[in-house]
Amino acid sequence: DAGITQSPRYKITETGRQVTLMCHQTWSHSYMFWYRQDLGHGLRLIYYSAAADITDKGEVPDGYVVSRSKTENFPLTLESATRSQTSVYFCASREAGTLNEQYFGPGTRLTVT
Amino acid sequence: GDSVTQMEGPVTLSEEAFLTINCTYTATGYPSLFWYVQYPGEGLQLLLKATKADDKGSNKGFEATYRKETTSFHLEKGSVQVSDSAVYFCALTSLLGGNTPLVFGKGTRLSVIA
Repeated sequence: DAGITQSPRYKITETGRQVTLMCHQTWSHSYMFWYRQDLGHGLRLIYYSAAADITDKGEVPDGYVVSRSKTENFPLTLESATRSQTSVYFCASREAGTLNEQYFGPGTRLTVT
Repeated sequence: GDSVTQMEGPVTLSEEAFLTINCTYTATGYPSLFWYVQYPGEGLQLLLKATKADDKGSNKGFEATYRKETTSFHLEKGSVQVSDSAVYFCALTSLLGGNTPLVFGKGTRLSVIA
């Protein structure tokens, strides 16, 4: 199926553990993004990527690592999870050109205990 | 830097009421403006957009006009339905500097009751 998918949809992990959230898109869009959504903060950009092997920090990158070895995948890793990283994480993609629609995945709800 | 300010929610309306969600922005350059909608349990999806001053974006009965003089992009709908219950996000992207990421407002939750 064409689209953008995220896995897992729900994850519970413990403080200090490493966890990776997966994002896959089938359109070969150039740009991919990771956001976190928290009450009172709306959507905040963590990292984004303009193409394979090109990544840039967003507003809240600390504690996160990304990679993009293939155009269609953009995993987000929390190297040592903290309770403050409990959030809903959204991946998004769009084709190059700021006027193009940005498509969002269904989100991953992460709880760090 | 660029920023978007939306009215605080939640907004609760009866079915068939008129909706306005205010959005103002601060940006360098010449931004394009967007409204995204998030239905419960889903990701965001584009509702409408406007790319230059005085443009009106419209979709599914929603409208917003790009007002450069007031730096605003208010979302309106003449008659809301229960199915419009969602969180609405105003966003902008500035053409200054090329492919800059979207900047989102904090979102406004709308609840429509029958």
